[in-house]
Amino acid sequence: EAQVTQNPRYLITVTGKKLTVTCSQNMNHEYMSWYRQDPGLGLRQIYYSMNVEVTDKGDVPEGYKVSRKEKRNFPLILESPSPNQTSLYFCASTTGRGTEAFFGQGTRLTVV
Amino acid sequence: DQQVKQNSPSLSVQEGRISILNCDYTNSMFDYFLWYKKYPAEGPTFLISISSIKDKNEDGRFTVFLNKSAKHLSLHIVPSQPGDSAVYFCAAGPLNTGNQFYFGTGTSLTVIP
Repeated sequence: EAQVTQNPRYLITVTGKKLTVTCSQNMNHEYMSWYRQDPGLGLRQIYYSMNVEVTDKGDVPEGYKVSRKEKRNFPLILESPSPNQTSLYFCASTTGRGTEAFFGQGTRLTVV
Repeated sequence: DQQVKQNSPSLSVQEGRISILNCDYTNSMFDYFLWYKKYPAEGPTFLISISSIKDKNEDGRFTVFLNKSAKHLSLHIVPSQPGDSAVYFCAAGPLNTGNQFYFGTGTSLTVIP
């Protein structure tokens, strides 16, 4: 089954404690992205990747890092999480430009 | 600054009637537009798309209309069904930037049986 898998689904952490949210897709897609969803703000792109070792900033990259060492995986790293990074995070992948994105089920992160 | 706007946070429609969801964008470089549907506790799923060379695209009960001069698109659902109750996101972007799409804030549709 074609899917994008994020882990964990729920995470509560403390300010400053480094964390990684994993994302994996099994569709051999070149493009992958991370979004955060906040009330009244919709989905905002954090980072995206057009291929292995090729990443670029989206709209709200501050406080986040990503890496794309393999085509299937695109982890999101918060080196020093802060409460304003409490949000619902989605990973997505697509075959290419202009095609629809497949989204993971989301990771609800709470930073206290 | 929000480049894609959905000004109606919510919409209620009777089952069987038409649902019309609206979306406005500000960037004239955007030439590809998509609608996604999102149920609670799930990720968004693709619904329908349209490129700027068209003004209408249909897929079953779903039709998207694009008015480039007004920088406006709308999603029509006819007839609406209770299973259509979800949050609908509009997304837009330029095709040549490698998938950097901008999303609206979403419209929560409730279809009343």
